[in-house]
Amino acid sequence: AQSVSQHNHHVILSEAASLELGCNYSYGGTVNLFWYVQYPGQHLQLLLKYFSGDPLVKGIKGFEAEFIKSKFSFNLRKPSVQWSDTAEYFCAVGPGTYKYIFGTGTRLKVLA
Amino acid sequence: DTGVSQDPRHKITKRGQNVTFRCDPISEHNRLYWYRQTLGQGPEFLTYFQNEAQLEKSRLLSDRFSAERPKGSFSTLEIQRTEQGDSAMYLCASSLGGEGGLRVFGPGTRLTVL
Repeated sequence: AQSVSQHNHHVILSEAASLELGCNYSYGGTVNLFWYVQYPGQHLQLLLKYFSGDPLVKGIKGFEAEFIKSKFSFNLRKPSVQWSDTAEYFCAVGPGTYKYIFGTGTRLKVLA
Repeated sequence: DTGVSQDPRHKITKRGQNVTFRCDPISEHNRLYWYRQTLGQGPEFLTYFQNEAQLEKSRLLSDRFSAERPKGSFSTLEIQRTEQGDSAMYLCASSLGGEGGLRVFGPGTRLTVL
């Protein structure tokens, strides 16, 4: 069965620390990959996406993610987090054009 | 407003009652999706419409659940004979067709079944 694993459920960092959130998926075919963010009290918003091409993708607010096909991974990174990055982050995989499979999410808390 | 809207934002109901939620997608989006999100989990796919046609339903969508998109615009999700296990956030999203169509999510309807 297709699945998405996010290994870190809760992460606490101080401002200016570097961030890496893990995402692994199980699916043997071609996939589209996404990271969504949900700030407190707000909608899910797209942070970045990978469809094809350069496996290092850059998103909004200084986030980037790297697709490593051999590891079935799509980890999210940010070199220096800010207090405003406090949110819940979801990795999602689209094995088709309509069905996304989401991970369980990682709650990030950034201490000022 | 150019976003996806959902109504109501919160619904508290007693077990056994029927509830209906509405989703208004972005007007030019022909695809509409319903997801359910429970505490500590990511959104889980429930069903998907392309225009007015319901093209897939998840096994999560029991016979008590029905979704419609009668004119290819807004959609409703009805839950009959609600159970406590139905308590969740119900999310609607819309997109243009094709692989490049990125989902825009609405704010969700939080259902609490007492």
